[in-house]
Amino acid sequence: EVQLVQSGAEVKKPGESLKISCKGSGYSFTSYWIGWVRQMPGKGLEWMGIIYPGDSDTRYSPSFQGQVTISADKSISTAYLQWSSLKASDTAMYYCARHRADTAMFDPWGQGTLVTVSS
Amino acid sequence: QSALTQPRSVSGSPGQSVTISCTGTSSDVGGYNYVSWYQQHPGKAPKLMIYDVSKRPSGVPDRFSGSKSGNTASLTISGLQAEDEADYYCCSYAGSLYVFGTGTKVTVL
Repeated sequence: EVQLVQSGAEVKKPGESLKISCKGSGYSFTSYWIGWVRQMPGKGLEWMGIIYPGDSDTRYSPSFQGQVTISADKSISTAYLQWSSLKASDTAMYYCARHRADTAMFDPWGQGTLVTVSS
Repeated sequence: QSALTQPRSVSGSPGQSVTISCTGTSSDVGGYNYVSWYQQHPGKAPKLMIYDVSKRPSGVPDRFSGSKSGNTASLTISGLQAEDEADYYCCSYAGSLYVFGTGTKVTVL
């Protein structure tokens, strides 16, 4: 079964750093892209960026470029989303999803990681 | 890159059909046949319902269908059922990146 399992919920203070993870299983991790999506409380989905673990090729939405870093460790089939200095406005649910380059599909999705940033 | 425009809400009675529009530009929806649709129930992760404009993944009921004309893509739910009540989002390739729609809440009356 193809599965993406994300790390658990996080509660952080403004200014702290954070790295959340997304572990793939049941498929060749280096043959598919992994995308990250933000959903702020009560709001819609926002596409953040995408990485190809095979060669670490990474693309960012202009809205998130410079605000987050997407990376991957193919040796452990895990992608990451990290912040160097969190803001209260980073409070959101973050999802990862597998993406095939020759189609428009993001499937499957991870269960989501809730990040809460509060002083 | 601006979000694609979707109606805030649509509704229908069980058995009826509803259509959700997703309007973009020639740089995204109109430029590529790479539109997908996702269903999201409250507190759950999104689920792929349609990809590449009109293809349906295995396991998705055939009452869900997709189409595109110019810069507008559409998702139609035929024979509406109670379990179809959810939020729906379109997503389009926009040349090296992707953009989601604003989201539509489907209510089954």
